[in-house]
Amino acid sequence: RKEVEQDPGPFNVPEGATVAFNCTYSNSASQSFFWYRQDCRKEPKLLMSVYSSGNEDGRFTAQLNRASQYISLLIRDSKLSDSATYLCVVNYGQNFVFGPGTRLSVLP
Amino acid sequence: GAGVSQSPRYKVAKRGQDVALRCDPISGHVSLFWYQQALGQGPEFLTYFQNEAQLDKSGLPSDRFFAERPEGSVSTLKIQRTQQEDSAVYLCASSLPSKRLADTDTQYFGPGTRLTVL
Repeated sequence: RKEVEQDPGPFNVPEGATVAFNCTYSNSASQSFFWYRQDCRKEPKLLMSVYSSGNEDGRFTAQLNRASQYISLLIRDSKLSDSATYLCVVNYGQNFVFGPGTRLSVLP
Repeated sequence: GAGVSQSPRYKVAKRGQDVALRCDPISGHVSLFWYQQALGQGPEFLTYFQNEAQLDKSGLPSDRFFAERPEGSVSTLKIQRTQQEDSAVYLCASSLPSKRLADTDTQYFGPGTRLTVL
């Protein structure tokens, strides 16, 4: 079993839709959690950190469930520019483990 | 300010050739990471430096892979006797470790080097 798992998608959604991604991790010692965004042929960029209490940044909401070892990302009112691959990242110490990514296509 | 830079951006090598990939981290960043990203996959950890010390090289796939950061700044990833399965994007990331244990450091990625081994 891989350390970090994600549904690869693709998720094809119309503009304005709400879409949610889940990510599961296997290492219970994991300390920190992130969502990164990666555009085609570009480097990953930090979208948001994920805190135990859940956190929101504009149209994006991240949740962490330590008991079930999963992280979620919710995107509301999706825009064409949200089309990208979303990478779940789990960290313990200086060890960062990336999931395979979930591809999102927002359609006009 | 300048971000992480990598060179070359693209490299085509013949099987068996040696290659060297360079990473210039953000100035002052202590931590430096190398990742390998195959098509359609997430980045896979290769190795990690704190200043000039290579603290973790558990992700290097074979002894053909070697990384160094002799002065704690620029890093080079060397692949000897390249094989077709080495074809991937090699990403470098740097971060500035937080003094607070509760914080975790954002990694800033370079644009990557796309290596194609023929």
